Formats: sequence, structure tokens, C-alpha cells
Amino acid sequence: QKEVEQDPGPLSVPEGAIVSLNCTYSNSAFQYFMWYRQYSRKGPELLMYTYSSGNKEDGRFTAQVDKSSKYISLFIRDSQPSDSATYLCAMSANFGNEKLTFGTGTRLTIIP
Amino acid sequence: DGGITQSPKYLFRKEGQNVTLSCEQNLNHDAMYWYRQDPGQGLRLIYYSQIVNDFQKGDIAEGYSVSREKKESFPLTVTSAQKNPTAFYLCASSAGRGGRRYEQYFGPGTRLTVT
Repeated sequence: QKEVEQDPGPLSVPEGAIVSLNCTYSNSAFQYFMWYRQYSRKGPELLMYTYSSGNKEDGRFTAQVDKSSKYISLFIRDSQPSDSATYLCAMSANFGNEKLTFGTGTRLTIIP
Repeated sequence: DGGITQSPKYLFRKEGQNVTLSCEQNLNHDAMYWYRQDPGQGLRLIYYSQIVNDFQKGDIAEGYSVSREKKESFPLTVTSAQKNPTAFYLCASSAGRGGRRYEQYFGPGTRLTVT
């Protein structure tokens, strides 16, 4: 079993819809949680960074962490065609070496 | 502009040849990382370096080598011992200290094809 599980999709939604992307994990030591967006043939771009449990909002993006369920989510409101990309979750424990464990990514398409 | 550059964008090599991928950053970051990305497998860590002249193996270091002689540079050599080298290679860096040390910033990647 992988430490981080992420549904690869593909996920297609109409423009303007709310998108929900999720990851589950098995390592209870993970404390730092990140979401990256990756356009085709490009490097990942950091979207959201969250420490421990709770919510964090940045514009149309909201990241949620539920450590009791080992479950993290990324919500995208008012989705736009430019949001079409692969979304990767990543997480790290506080081992002092900043190593990240990534999910496999979910491919998202926003249909105009 | 601050950022991470990787070159070349596309690289083609014959089997049995070593090849070196370049990674340079001007973010003044202490830590640098190399990942490979394969379809359906996400990003896997090859090597990382938290400080100049020091580096550690990641999860899939076999067949790869690195050096960290300068803070700005972290080149990756894919040797002929790497059994399946065709992949998308990504370099990243992070501040390496402080509250946001887990935030890694990525370069544009190098797509290596070995035939």
C-alpha cells in the first residue's frame, strides 16, 4: 500500500463548478501538507501549504486537512478552463530533512 | 527573476551513455532535490542536498549520481547503470530552514529519452 493515495482521474467538470480533489495517507507522522498544480510538460507549481489540521483559503482555492481521518482536500470554486491541469498532493513529517511524499496526481479538465 | 532553470528541455541519448542534467537556482535556497516522474507513479525522490558539499540518497538513487559544489547548482548524472532512464526529471529547491522549509519550488523539467 502506498503511503499517499490519490485518485488519478481523469475528472471533468463544467466551468463554474466546485471541484473537490482528495488524498488519503497512512503515515500519522505527516504534519505538513501541500498541493501542487502541474500543467502538461511543465514543472509542478506550489498552490497551497498547510501545517497540521484545519482549513486554509487563498482566493478560489481552499485546502482542508483532517488528521484524524488522514484525509486532505483541495476545493476549487468557480472553476475556470485555466484550472485544467494535474493536481498533486504532497506531505512531509518533521524528520528534519524536508523530504516530501507525493500522490500520483489527479488530472482535471474544466469544460467551457 | 528568481527561479530554477533546468537544461536542456529535451534530451536524447543512446543506451550505455552517461548523461548530465543541469539544475541552477537563484533563490538563495539551501536545499535542492532531484525527482523523476513517470506516468501513474507520481514524483519519486532520487537525491537531495541540504547544504553545499553534502547530499543524500533518496528512494531511487541506484544508477544516478550528483554533486553539490556550489549553492546554486545541483547537476544530476544518469549513468549507464540506470536500467530504465527514460523519464521526466524535475529539480526542486527549498529554503531548507525556517517555518516554510517544506515548500519546494520546481524547475520546468528535462524530458530524457534513451533508445
